[in-house]
Amino acid sequence: GESVGLHLPTLSVQEGDNSIINCAYSNSASDYFIWYKQESGKGPQFIIDIRSNMDKRQGQRVTVLLNKTVKHLSLQIAATQPGDSAVYFCACPGGGADGLTFGKGTHLIIQP
Amino acid sequence: GAGVSQSPRYKVAKRGQDVALRCDPISGHVSLFWYQQALGQGPEFLTYFQNEAQLDKSGLPSDRFFAERPEGSVSTLKIQRTQQEDSAVYLCASSLGTSYRDHSNQPQHFGDGTRLSIL
Repeated sequence: GESVGLHLPTLSVQEGDNSIINCAYSNSASDYFIWYKQESGKGPQFIIDIRSNMDKRQGQRVTVLLNKTVKHLSLQIAATQPGDSAVYFCACPGGGADGLTFGKGTHLIIQP
Repeated sequence: GAGVSQSPRYKVAKRGQDVALRCDPISGHVSLFWYQQALGQGPEFLTYFQNEAQLDKSGLPSDRFFAERPEGSVSTLKIQRTQQEDSAVYLCASSLGTSYRDHSNQPQHFGDGTRLSIL
């Protein structure tokens, strides 16, 4: 079945630095990937998505990179701010179900 | 604009009671999903509706869990004879697209969930 995981449970960065959150997936047939941000007590908030026919996609202060060869994607956040503190999940369709499969999440902590 | 709305935000029930959780999706969204999120984990898929049709209920953990979306808009997740292991946050999401099996690759937009505690 599909599995999606993140490399680190916690990432601590200095305010103003760039953050890189990594994610690995197992199903080479996966064709769509989404990054979500979840703040305490709230639901996952859509950040950015990427289709498998792309290697890179940029949003506002965020960039997602997709490496299909090694089945890896990353989320880069530029000039990290205190409001970026949250748990970040990568997700993709899979496992035969119609829903998304989520990884366990990376908790991004911003140091002042 | 209005997002996905879930109610109640918190629900406490005694073991053995039935509970009903409500989801109001974004207007016009065809697809509606329910997920269960345990503490410190990512959301896990429960069931999927395309309009009023429940096309996938492969993630429902037992026959005590039942979901409906009779008019293709509001959905209710019902849990009968609740047990302590049902304690979790229940998230609802809606999407403009149809199933990912159709490669209708649209993001899901989530509500803030209902935190269910079973005593």
